[in-house]
Amino acid sequence: DTGVSQDPRHKITKRGQNVTFRCDPISEHNRLYWYRQTLGQGPEFLTYFQNEAQLEKSRLLSDRFSAERPKGSFSTLEIQRTEQGDSAMYLCASSPGGGYTFGSGTRLTVV
Amino acid sequence: SQQGEEDPQALSIQEGENATMNCSYKTSINNLQWYRQNSGRGLVHLILIRSNEREKHSGRLRVTLDTSKKSSSLLITASRAADTASYFCATEPVGGANSKLTFGKGITLSVRP
Repeated sequence: DTGVSQDPRHKITKRGQNVTFRCDPISEHNRLYWYRQTLGQGPEFLTYFQNEAQLEKSRLLSDRFSAERPKGSFSTLEIQRTEQGDSAMYLCASSPGGGYTFGSGTRLTVV
Repeated sequence: SQQGEEDPQALSIQEGENATMNCSYKTSINNLQWYRQNSGRGLVHLILIRSNEREKHSGRLRVTLDTSKKSSSLLITASRAADTASYFCATEPVGGANSKLTFGKGITLSVRP
């Protein structure tokens, strides 16, 4: 597999539940990004990893959000105590520097 | 916050026509990139133009960059129905240590068969 994989593709959860998404980047890419996209908008930056180090977090990433990238390979994004406003497409991208390769995203619906 | 502003917001053309999309941005950049997104899918990288470049071609795509006006344009020639998608410009700021891209809101392109 030469692309960026995200799992699951869709997630429906009840408000207040915790959810976790996974991203498997292209193996040679040391940079990994999480973005969030709502309907009619462009992607908004959430957080960035270089290898296993989380180097930047957006103010959008409240304390209910946490991301990890153990061993600099796959990454997980967890949202605790989900709210309806968390409903969005969560996109993962990896890059060696320059252009990004995006996964297909995880669409989260909080009901 | 979103750095890029694309124009127009929506564009509808006939197959075979050319489509021109514009992007303006606010801060100094290292490079500007264009992406395509089909409905409900991830984004696909189309082309990257560096701040010291003025024009770049890739297949049916032509992108220009005017750093003095802080603007870029994407031209798709001989459009096809399969070009129907949303198009986003994204900028990497100068001094950005992490190559973090900031995206605009996108342009919806419809190509009528």
